[in-house]
Amino acid sequence: KQEVTQIPAALSVPEGENLVLNCSFTDSAIYNLQWFRQDPGKGLTSLLLIQSSQREQTSGRLNASLDKSSGRSTLYIAASQPGDSATYLCAVYGEKLTFGTGTRLTIIP
Amino acid sequence: DADVTQTPRNRITKTGKRIMLECSQTKGHDRMYWYRQDPGLGLRLIYYSFDVKDINKGEISDGYSVSRQAQAKFSLSLESAIPNQTALYFCATSDSHRGGSYEQYFGPGTRLTVT
Repeated sequence: KQEVTQIPAALSVPEGENLVLNCSFTDSAIYNLQWFRQDPGKGLTSLLLIQSSQREQTSGRLNASLDKSSGRSTLYIAASQPGDSATYLCAVYGEKLTFGTGTRLTIIP
Repeated sequence: DADVTQTPRNRITKTGKRIMLECSQTKGHDRMYWYRQDPGLGLRLIYYSFDVKDINKGEISDGYSVSRQAQAKFSLSLESAIPNQTALYFCATSDSHRGGSYEQYFGPGTRLTVT
């Protein structure tokens, strides 16, 4: 059974800093990996989807990497802003989609 | 218009009541899914459907039932709601796996409170 872990569960950083969020998964037989953003009580916003054949994807200040062999993905956020405060979820596509429990990010102005 | 819609968006109901959550999609996808999210937890799969005649239980199906009325519509029912079914419910759709790659598209969520 696929297990997806996101550490830390919560992270606070000053505005302007670069930061990295981590995601690890136990079964490397995956199709894709996707990062989502979720504001409190709200829906999911897709940030980046990395196919298993890719090593990374970039969108604006966000860069996601994937290392299937080690079962790891990172989401890099450059020049963080208060508007980046949210929970970030990692989801792994195997035969089913398995979510991590998320990292709650707070950017301190 | 949104590709995946859910109704209602918010619902408060009492213990023992029957409630239905509805999901519609305009993406033309064959596959549809229902998830629930509890505070501090990731999404967990309740039921999924690969086509109108193919419905499968997910990891937490007890207390729920579903109906796939058409390719574009997938409803989730709570036959007798209980307080621990209070959660945020998401519907999602996807195309069939193509070359091993696929993506799920999520609706905006339904916040259900059972008192």
